[in-house]
Amino acid sequence: DTEVTQTPKHLVMGMTNKKSLKCEQHMGHRAMYWYKQKAKKPPELMFVYSYEKLSINESVPSRFSPECPNSSLLNLHLHALQPEDSALYLCASSQGGPANTEAFFGQGTRLTVV
Amino acid sequence: GQNIDQPTEMTATEGAIVQINCTYQTSGFNGLFWYQQHAGEAPTFLSYNVLDGLEEKGRFSSFLSRSKGYSYLLLKELQMKDSASYLCAVRPAGGGSYIPTFGRGTSLIVHP
Repeated sequence: DTEVTQTPKHLVMGMTNKKSLKCEQHMGHRAMYWYKQKAKKPPELMFVYSYEKLSINESVPSRFSPECPNSSLLNLHLHALQPEDSALYLCASSQGGPANTEAFFGQGTRLTVV
Repeated sequence: GQNIDQPTEMTATEGAIVQINCTYQTSGFNGLFWYQQHAGEAPTFLSYNVLDGLEEKGRFSSFLSRSKGYSYLLLKELQMKDSASYLCAVRPAGGGSYIPTFGRGTSLIVHP
C-alpha cells in the first residue's frame, strides 16, 4: 500500500464554518506534511509532523490547526477562513528522520471558501 | 535559505526529447527530487539524485552536478500524457530539516 488518502476531495465552506481535512497513510511513515497549493504555483509547506510531534510550522495563521492523533492520521482543522485560503491542500508522508527520501502525496482536497 | 530556478513553460512535439533544467543555490544540500504533477492532481515522485551523474529510469532520466548547483530532467519519446508540470525540489542538509523545498515548476506542453 503506497497510498496517501485524503478526504474530502472537494469542500466548500463559509467564512464562519468549522471543518476538518483528513489524511491517512498505512506505509509506516513517521513524517507527515500539509502543503497548500494555489493554481499554477508549487506546493508551499505549511506543517510537518515528525513522530507525531509538530516539528515545523511555517508561520501559518492560527485559523489552520493541525492535529496528528496517531502515526497514520493527520488532520487539518479549519476555522474562520478567508476567501484567499481557497486552494488545493495536499497531504504527504515520508519515512522521516535521516533515512527520509521521497514524499508520497495524497490527491488533495480542493477547498473553496465563500 | 534556498533559491531554485526552473523555466516556467516549455513546449515539445510528441516523440521528441525534452530537457528541463533546474538550478539551485542552497546553504546545504542533501539531494534533489523531481516530481510530476498533472493539473488538479497530486505530485508524483519521479527521481531522486544525491550523487553527481545520471540516473535513468525508463523514458525519464535525471542528472545532477553538485558543484554547479544544476540538475536536469530528460524525457525521451514524449507522449501526450507527459504534458504536466515538473517540479524540482531540493532537500536541505542537516539540522533535522529534511523537507524538500519546491521550485516553481515547469509546465510542459506536448503537442502532436
